[in-house]
Amino acid sequence: GDSVTQMEGPVTLSEEAFLTINCTYTATGYPSLFWYVQYPGEGLQLLLKATKADDKGSNKGFEATYRKETTSFHLEKGSVQVSDSAVYFCALSLNNAGNMLTFGGGTRLMVKP
Amino acid sequence: KAGVTQTPRYLIKTRGQQVTLSCSPISGHRSVSWYQQTPGQGLQFLFEYFSETQRNKGNFPGRFSGRQFSNSRSEMNVSTLELGDSALYLCASREEIVTDTQYFGPGTRLTVL
Repeated sequence: GDSVTQMEGPVTLSEEAFLTINCTYTATGYPSLFWYVQYPGEGLQLLLKATKADDKGSNKGFEATYRKETTSFHLEKGSVQVSDSAVYFCALSLNNAGNMLTFGGGTRLMVKP
Repeated sequence: KAGVTQTPRYLIKTRGQQVTLSCSPISGHRSVSWYQQTPGQGLQFLFEYFSETQRNKGNFPGRFSGRQFSNSRSEMNVSTLELGDSALYLCASREEIVTDTQYFGPGTRLTVL
């Protein structure tokens, strides 16, 4: 079946460090790919998305590129802030599966001042 | 536009009871999905409703049910609560069932004692 695999956390970085959170997927078709972020005590917020191969999603300094050849959608940010501390979820949806979201396990990011 | 709203935000029940959670989607959104988030199983899809009809269902027992009203508001019900039903229940909405981007509410934290 369709699945998403994320690197396990927690990821601990100092402020202004470079961030990469790896995400790979398995899908029977051509999925749309998403990164969602969850701050403590809150629901999920859409961070960015990409709908086809080589698309780059970007938002708030975060970027991810849809790589069909490596079935990956790694999240990057050049300089993290303490306020970026949260749990990040990679997810996919398939039009032929009703577009329901399949999530990875989540990666907790902790940024220290 | 106002975001997805969920009520109540927190709920404590005892085993064997039943519970009803409510979700109001973003204005104009006709699809509502429900997800369960637990530390052990992560984020799992429960079901999706569109125009008052259940369109997709995840792998959950029949104790979990839902419905959608003509104004697109949705409720989910869990009967005969078990300790393992303790979770954050997230509702997400989107404009149409073919739209791939879903927007999440803050969730309802259910604790079963």
